[in-house]
This record gives sequence, structure tokens and C-alpha cells, in this order.
Amino acid sequence: GENVEQHPSTLSVQEGDSAVIKCTYSDSASNYFPWYKQELGKGPQLIIDIRSNVGEKKDQRIAVTLNKTAKHFSLHITETQPEDSAVYFCAASLGGGADGLTFGKGTHLIIQP
Amino acid sequence: KAGVTQTPRYLIKTRGQQVTLSCSPISGHRSVSWYQQTPGQGLQFLFEYFSETQRNKGNFPGRFSGRQFSNSRSEMNVSTLELGDSALYLCASSQLQGSGNTIYFGEGSWLTVV
Repeated sequence: GENVEQHPSTLSVQEGDSAVIKCTYSDSASNYFPWYKQELGKGPQLIIDIRSNVGEKKDQRIAVTLNKTAKHFSLHITETQPEDSAVYFCAASLGGGADGLTFGKGTHLIIQP
Repeated sequence: KAGVTQTPRYLIKTRGQQVTLSCSPISGHRSVSWYQQTPGQGLQFLFEYFSETQRNKGNFPGRFSGRQFSNSRSEMNVSTLELGDSALYLCASSQLQGSGNTIYFGEGSWLTVV
């Protein structure tokens, strides 16, 4: 089955700086890559997703890049704000969805004031 | 538009008991999937239901089961609870079947087994 590795496990950045979280996946057939933000005591919230026919997608301060050849994808958050502090999860899917989403272990993002 | 609603939010059960968790998907969504979240294993796929039929299943023992009703609402059941079943159980819904479609999570049901 699919395996997703996520790094780093903890990331601390100064408010206003950029944050980058990286994920790699094992199955080259995966074609859907969402990112979720989870705040304490809440369920994961979809923040952005990308499909394998696209190399980059941007939504305001958030962007995701995908390198199919290297089988990795990254989340970029610019101009970080205190409310960006949370745990972020990447995930991958084979598209047909037989095994559900496979998630990375998460990155705890800390925004220092 | 209301999001995915899960009940109960918190519950405590004793080893050997069984538990039923409920999920109401976003209006118009016909697919419901369930995930287990623990500190050690992270987020793991349990199963997906679409049109009242289980379409996909993760690698969990048969003690974990579910069902979906004609109004797309879903329940999951865990029988003969073990301490290791303590987790956050998350329900997610999407318009179409399959994890390649955008799914939206509820707030989860926190289960503690003592």
C-alpha cells in the first residue's frame, strides 16, 4: 500500500516568515494530494489540495507544489500569522480510493510572535 | 451549510463493552468515510460507505463495523472494546465515492476505553 513520509515533525518560525512542510509518497499511481490543518480539539480542516495533472496550486498565502518524478509534494505558507499555529497533515490517494487517504504523521507548526 | 456532525463528542467505555458512533454528512454528500486518529498511529482509514454499501475497508479487525442509512447518515460500531481502541474517531463526507474526491471531516468523537 501507499506510504507517506512527512517532515519536519515540528517547525517553529517567526511571525511573518515563511514555513515549508515536505512530504514524500511511495506509490507512483497516487494522484490526489490534500493538506489538512488540525487545531487542538478539532477535526482536520482541508486547506488546499492538488491533483497529479497540476504542478503547483496557490490560494492566498498558501501554496502546494508537486513533483511527480521525485514523488514529493510540499506546503508553503507565506507571511505566517499566529492563527497558522496548528498541526498540518499531508495525505495521498490512489484516486480510485480503494484504501482511503494515507496520511503523513503530521507537522506541529509553531508561530513565534 | 452545516458541516459534518458527529455524536457523541466524548465518551468513556469499559473494556469488553461496545460503542456506536453517529455521523451526519454535509447535505448532498453521499459518501461517508471513517478514520481513527491516535498519537502513535496517526490518522488511519477504517472504511467508506456510499449508497448504503461499504465500498472500501482499511486494515482493522472485524470488531470495527459500520453502516449507512438511506439518508446518507452513518454509524460505526466497535465491539469488545480494548484499551488500544481509545482514539479520536473522525467521520468525513464527500459528494462522490472514493478518496480521490475532496473529503471534509467532522470534529470527531473522543473515545476513552478504561
